[in-house]
Amino acid sequence: EVQLLESGGGLVQPGGSLRLSCAASGITFSSYAMTWIRQAPGEGLQWVSTIGGSGGSTYYADSVKGRFTVSRDNSKNTLYLQMNSLRAEDTAVYYCARTLRGVTGWFDPWGQGTLVTVSS
Amino acid sequence: QSALTQPASVSGSPGQSITISCTGTSSDVGGYNYVSWYQQHPGKAPKLMISDVSNRPSGVSIRFSGSKSGNTASLTISGLQAEDEADYSCSSYTSNRTVIFGGGTKLTVL
Repeated sequence: EVQLLESGGGLVQPGGSLRLSCAASGITFSSYAMTWIRQAPGEGLQWVSTIGGSGGSTYYADSVKGRFTVSRDNSKNTLYLQMNSLRAEDTAVYYCARTLRGVTGWFDPWGQGTLVTVSS
Repeated sequence: QSALTQPASVSGSPGQSITISCTGTSSDVGGYNYVSWYQQHPGKAPKLMISDVSNRPSGVSIRFSGSKSGNTASLTISGLQAEDEADYSCSSYTSNRTVIFGGGTKLTVL
């Protein structure tokens, strides 16, 4: 069974930084692209970033480009999202998801999410 | 880029069929057969229901089906059951090599 477990969320001040992690088990991690998707309170889903299986290809939403960096450590089966210059509008539950066929594909399964709150 | 357009809510009685629409542009929904649908119960993570417009993953009920016409994709749920009450979101690949989601639709089973 594929399991994804996010961690690293919490309360951070505007302008601050946070690094999220997503630990994967039950899959050959390096064979799959991975994606971060977020959901602000009471809002819809928003794609954030996708990284290819080897880490060589990365894609970002315009709203986070230049502030967020996605990376992975295939030896640790772990996906990361480094978030800098955080804004109030970045407040959301952040989900990681296994991604089939890269950025053109679909997300299955999803982790349970980790909450990031940006507030002073 | 604005979100794909979905109705905020739909409802139906048990046993009935409902359809949720997802409207985009020729740069996303209309340009590619890369539309997916996700079900999300309150407080839970989303679950894949349909990929590539109409492909149903193993384990998803045959009551769920997807289609597309022009710039609009649709999710149809037949034989509504109480457990189908949830939020449903569509997503699409875009010509900017990004992914865009719909705003989500709340399905109420009356």
